[in-house]
Amino acid sequence: GNSVTQMEGPVTLSEEAFLTINCTYTATGYPSLFWYVQYPGEGLQLLLKATKADDKGSNKGFEATYRKETTSFHLEKGSVQVSDSAVYFCALQLLAGGTSYGKLTFGQGTILTVHP
Amino acid sequence: DGGITQSPKYLFRKEGQNVTLSCEQNLNHDAMYWYRQDPGQGLRLIYYSQIVNDFQKGDIAEGYSVSREKKESFPLTVTSAQKNPTAFYLCASSMGRDNSPLHFGNGTRLTVT
Repeated sequence: GNSVTQMEGPVTLSEEAFLTINCTYTATGYPSLFWYVQYPGEGLQLLLKATKADDKGSNKGFEATYRKETTSFHLEKGSVQVSDSAVYFCALQLLAGGTSYGKLTFGQGTILTVHP
Repeated sequence: DGGITQSPKYLFRKEGQNVTLSCEQNLNHDAMYWYRQDPGQGLRLIYYSQIVNDFQKGDIAEGYSVSREKKESFPLTVTSAQKNPTAFYLCASSMGRDNSPLHFGNGTRLTVT
């Protein structure tokens, strides 16, 4: 089946440190890949996405590159801020019968805490 | 502003009672979804609906029911048959087309004692 595996957290960093959150996937086709972020007490927000191999998604200083050869979509940011403290979810979406129903398969989430 | 509204934010019920969680969207999205979030387990799909008057079971539908009588609304009922109903419930919507992202509500935290 389809699955997403994220690096175990929690991750604790100091402000301005470099961030990497690993994400690997298994899928029976060619998925689209997403990173979502969840701030305390809120729902999830789309952070970035990539729809085909070698695509790079980017937003708010975060980047992730779709690597088909390693089935990975690692999230990176060069300099984190306290306001980046949140839970980060990697997810994949597969087309089904030629259309996408928007069904996402999520990783378990990685808690990021950034200290001043 | 367009968005998804879930209510209430916190809900408390006694074991054996059914409870209905509300989800309304004004984004004109065709597709709507219910996810359940438990600590350390990510999100799991309960039910989804692509169009009005149609819905399908997700990965963990047992003990839940939904309806989709209007495009804007997708209420979820947690029945007494759900063995472990205490969780954070998230509603989402999307255009339902290829690669369209999901837009999430702020969730309802249900506690059953």
